[in-house]
Amino acid sequence: AQSVTQLGSHVSVSEGALVLLRCNYSSSVPPYLFWYVQYPNQGLQLLLKYTSAATLVKGINGFEAEFKKSETSFHLTKPSAHMSDAAEYFCAVSARNTGGFKTIFGAGTRLFVKA
Amino acid sequence: NAGVTQTPKFQVLKTGQSMTLQCAQDMNHNSMYWYRQDPGMGLRLIYYSASEGTTDKGEVPNGYNVSRLNKREFSLRLESAAPSQTSVYFCASSRTTAGSSTDTQYFGPGTRLTVL
Repeated sequence: AQSVTQLGSHVSVSEGALVLLRCNYSSSVPPYLFWYVQYPNQGLQLLLKYTSAATLVKGINGFEAEFKKSETSFHLTKPSAHMSDAAEYFCAVSARNTGGFKTIFGAGTRLFVKA
Repeated sequence: NAGVTQTPKFQVLKTGQSMTLQCAQDMNHNSMYWYRQDPGMGLRLIYYSASEGTTDKGEVPNGYNVSRLNKREFSLRLESAAPSQTSVYFCASSRTTAGSSTDTQYFGPGTRLTVL
């Protein structure tokens, strides 16, 4: 079975500051990891995903995440926040279970960007 | 391509009423999903369909039924709505069947349902 924990339901940063959104996972088998973003009144869309190739994954809009097996983490970062980054971010883990694969989403972290 | 579409966008029901949420995708995807999103709980899987003609329960299936009408369409039915089903419902699709866990899921815009 797998699980995912996002640390901090709300994160506030100033425009131009570093964005760091934390995600820790638990999985008994090698996981695949995702970050999705949800803008207000929209569905989720993929930011980036880790599929066991490079541990540093680059996504859209300048975001990147690093898979650290020893820390069971997949934190999302962006060097400089823009106002347009204000949204809710979801970490997800997918791994093989009985009967196929299962994807579990974290509770989400809402990012606020201050001018 | 429209991607994943959902109807209706908003719905208000009274306790005990029934309704069907419709979802369609035009990406020729095999797998389709229904999630509910509640504050502080992220997305929870209600039902999914790994291929046309098959459906399976997810994490929170009680009070719901689904139909995979064809490859494009996957509907969610509430037979007797309860206030606990007040939520935002998202439909999603992904390319392959359940054999791959690296698939990206593509989401619709959601249906906001209130049960009074």
